[in-house]
Amino acid sequence: EDQVTQSPEALRLQEGESSSLNCSYTVSGLRGLFWYRQDPGKGPEFLFTLYSAGEEKEKERLKATLTKKESFLHITAPKPEDSATYLCAVLRGGGADGLTFGKGTHLIIQP
Amino acid sequence: GAVVSQHPSRVICKSGTSVKIECRSLDFQATTMFWYRQFPKQSLMLMATSNEGSKATYEQGVEKDKFLINHASLTLSTLTVTSAHPEDSSFYICSASTTGKETQYFGPGTRLLVL
Repeated sequence: EDQVTQSPEALRLQEGESSSLNCSYTVSGLRGLFWYRQDPGKGPEFLFTLYSAGEEKEKERLKATLTKKESFLHITAPKPEDSATYLCAVLRGGGADGLTFGKGTHLIIQP
Repeated sequence: GAVVSQHPSRVICKSGTSVKIECRSLDFQATTMFWYRQFPKQSLMLMATSNEGSKATYEQGVEKDKFLINHASLTLSTLTVTSAHPEDSSFYICSASTTGKETQYFGPGTRLLVL
């Protein structure tokens, strides 16, 4: 059974304090690992797709990396507007197209 | 690009009634649409996958006669919650993807409250 575990569950940082969020996964035949941002009461907003170990993607203050067992979302010099829940999801092989999500990391950036 | 809308955003209904939620891809053709459910403080759980013109595939434990899904066109999918009960109250979110693309784009969600 596919499993996605995110840590920490919650993280409070000061503005400008860089950190990393972790996503550990167990899946048969990874077809893709996805990072989304979700604001309260909203649908997930797409951030990154990673396909193979060693791959990295960047967007503004965010950088996502992937190994064979986990992914990291690095946040550099965050701002209060980066506060949100960050979700990690995997797409498994075998033809099934639905995503398996982790529970997310609730990130708060204090001014 | 890759915008997905949902309607309504919030709905309150009485127990025993049916509720229809629409999901539309606004600027791309969605060959596959997905329906997820999210309970408070929980992550998204896949309910079903639908391909345009085909019957939906439901996840284990999801009643297909209770959650009716129609994907009649490349831009529209509907989820009908039949004979809704208070335990069906949740946040329902759809997503869409196109042929050859793995990334799913999500709608803003529909908050359903069954009294």
